[in-house]
Amino acid sequence: GNSVTQMEGPVTLSEEAFLTINCTYTATGYPSLFWYVQYPGEGLQLLLKATKADDKGSNKGFEATYRKETTSFHLEKGSVQVSDSAVYFCALSDLRYSSASKIIFGSGTRLSIRP
Amino acid sequence: EPEVTQTPSHQVTQMGQEVILRCVPISNHLYFYWYRQILGQKVEFLVSFYNNEISEKSEIFDDQFSVERPDGSNFTLKIRSTKLEDSAMYFCASTVARAGQETQYFGPGTRLLVL
Repeated sequence: GNSVTQMEGPVTLSEEAFLTINCTYTATGYPSLFWYVQYPGEGLQLLLKATKADDKGSNKGFEATYRKETTSFHLEKGSVQVSDSAVYFCALSDLRYSSASKIIFGSGTRLSIRP
Repeated sequence: EPEVTQTPSHQVTQMGQEVILRCVPISNHLYFYWYRQILGQKVEFLVSFYNNEISEKSEIFDDQFSVERPDGSNFTLKIRSTKLEDSAMYFCASTVARAGQETQYFGPGTRLLVL
């Protein structure tokens, strides 16, 4: 079945460091791919998405490119801030043309940024 | 910006009691979902709902669970007889019904604690 695998955390970086959180997926068909973020004590927020191969999603300085050949959707940011400390979830939604499709989440990666 | 709301934000209940978690999806959305996140674990799909019936449910969603859209705005999740292992954060989500539009917007969650 469809699944998402993302790098284990926690990840601890210094402010202004470069961030990569790896994510790979297994899916039949043409899934849409997402990164959700969960700040401490809060719910899930959509960070960015890509709906087809080679699409790049971007938001708040974060980027991820849908790579069909490597089945990956790695999250990157050039210079992280303390306020980026959160748990990041890679996710996919199968059945692109059905809005009833569920989201399948990875296990989450906790990111902590040191001042 | 429209958002999904959930009440209560926290609920504490005794094992065996019934609980009802409430959600108000975004007003023009037609597909509704419940997910749960046991503390420290990944977010798991429970059920999707469209046109007043369940579209899909996971194996977690057994006979103790039910969903309902009692009026034009609310979407509820009922757990008939809670168990200790039902303690989790429960997220409601909704999606606009449009081909290719699969962004699910999540509410802030209800933290359920079963004692």
